[in-house]
Amino acid sequence: AQSVTQLDSHVSVSEGTPVLLRCNYSSSYSPSLFWYVQHPNKGLQLLLKYTSAATLVKGINGFEAEFKKSETSFHLTKPSAHMSDAAEYFCVVSERENSGYALNFGKGTSLLVTP
Amino acid sequence: SQTIHQWPATLVQPVGSPLSLECTVEGTSNPNLYWYRQAAGRGLQLLFYSIGIDQISSEVPQNLSASRPQDRQFILSSKKLLLSDSGFYLCAWSVLSNYEQYFGPGTRLTVT
Repeated sequence: AQSVTQLDSHVSVSEGTPVLLRCNYSSSYSPSLFWYVQHPNKGLQLLLKYTSAATLVKGINGFEAEFKKSETSFHLTKPSAHMSDAAEYFCVVSERENSGYALNFGKGTSLLVTP
Repeated sequence: SQTIHQWPATLVQPVGSPLSLECTVEGTSNPNLYWYRQAAGRGLQLLFYSIGIDQISSEVPQNLSASRPQDRQFILSSKKLLLSDSGFYLCAWSVLSNYEQYFGPGTRLTVT
């Protein structure tokens, strides 16, 4: 079985400071992991993905995430927050050995960026 | 490049009325297609997925149904809407079942 836990429902940072959004997963097999971002009343946009290649994954808009198997974590980071980063972020897990169909979404973290 | 469209963007419907939301994908063939609902303050709930024409699986028993009349068209329907059907409906596609999904812009449905 696979699941994902986003450890913070809300994160607030000042513009120009680092961003850390935490995600832990559980998976019986080799997982694929994703981060999506959703701006208000918009669809979800894929930020980055991990599929068993390099453990440090770089995504769009300066975001990156590191896959740590020993910690079962896939935290999302950005060195310097921008006002436009304010949005909802979803961590997602999928098991490639699983013949199923669905991605397993976390409940989301709302990122607030203050001036 | 691939694009995904949803319409309408917003919809206000009375309780008991029918519903039809449409999703189309361009630039790819035989995609997997998905319908999700996102209620206020909650995560995404998978409603239906389809791996081919007329091959649709339901995840949650409810008064909604889905159809896939064409390879790249996915329709979400209801004969009689309930207040609890209000939410943000998202369509998505993927190349394979366990690969990343690409989402449409969504439809905001308010049932009054």
